[in-house]
Amino acid sequence: KAGVTQTPRYLIKTRGQQVTLSCSPISGHRSVSWYQQTPGQGLQFLFEYFSETQRNKGNFPGRFSGRQFSNSRSEMNVSTLELGDSALYLCASSLTAIGNEKLFFGSGTQLSVL
Amino acid sequence: TQLLEQSPQFLSIQEGENLTVYCNSSSVFSSLQWYRQEPGEGPVLLVTVVTGGEVKKLKRLTFQFGDARKDSSLHITAAQPGDTGLYLCAGAPHDYKLSFGAGTTVTVRA
Repeated sequence: KAGVTQTPRYLIKTRGQQVTLSCSPISGHRSVSWYQQTPGQGLQFLFEYFSETQRNKGNFPGRFSGRQFSNSRSEMNVSTLELGDSALYLCASSLTAIGNEKLFFGSGTQLSVL
Repeated sequence: TQLLEQSPQFLSIQEGENLTVYCNSSSVFSSLQWYRQEPGEGPVLLVTVVTGGEVKKLKRLTFQFGDARKDSSLHITAAQPGDTGLYLCAGAPHDYKLSFGAGTTVTVRA
């Protein structure tokens, strides 16, 4: 069974641009969560989608948005990029949206904002 | 302020030594999870502890859940270079989405 696939692996953007990251979950998984990881801050929860609906949202500005398609694939968009948005963005999938369910992570997209 | 506080932040030891990583919170969790993340990869689940006072062993790794279900520890016996990585604890209070600690970076020198 294929794991969680995130594309692209690396991305370099400049301030003010926007970016779209993609995540394909494990087949059969309907929940996709997004996390931002920076050194010293750990993983900060961005949002979670289940069956195309956003179920939970973390404490991030409105520049961060996402969506989920009918095949469970998810995209995350960041508009008007700031230097502080440089981070590893991780996507995780799970069968359901139960809070303490096991998460399967992708390898992440490393975003650098110059 | 992190919901889950991990200590220490960094740990560097020689191969064969033992180490313990701590995960503490003021909140009660129905369960806590431990993940390990290697450079360039996403975190991988090691174990889930569910019952207060529970001890789980995974080869040389021993995980313990506190009696009050507010804290957990990970103990590695006779560490090996392959144990090097970022260890993360995670919990979901009130079944909200998982919150992660900031992690402990473990380096095992050969």
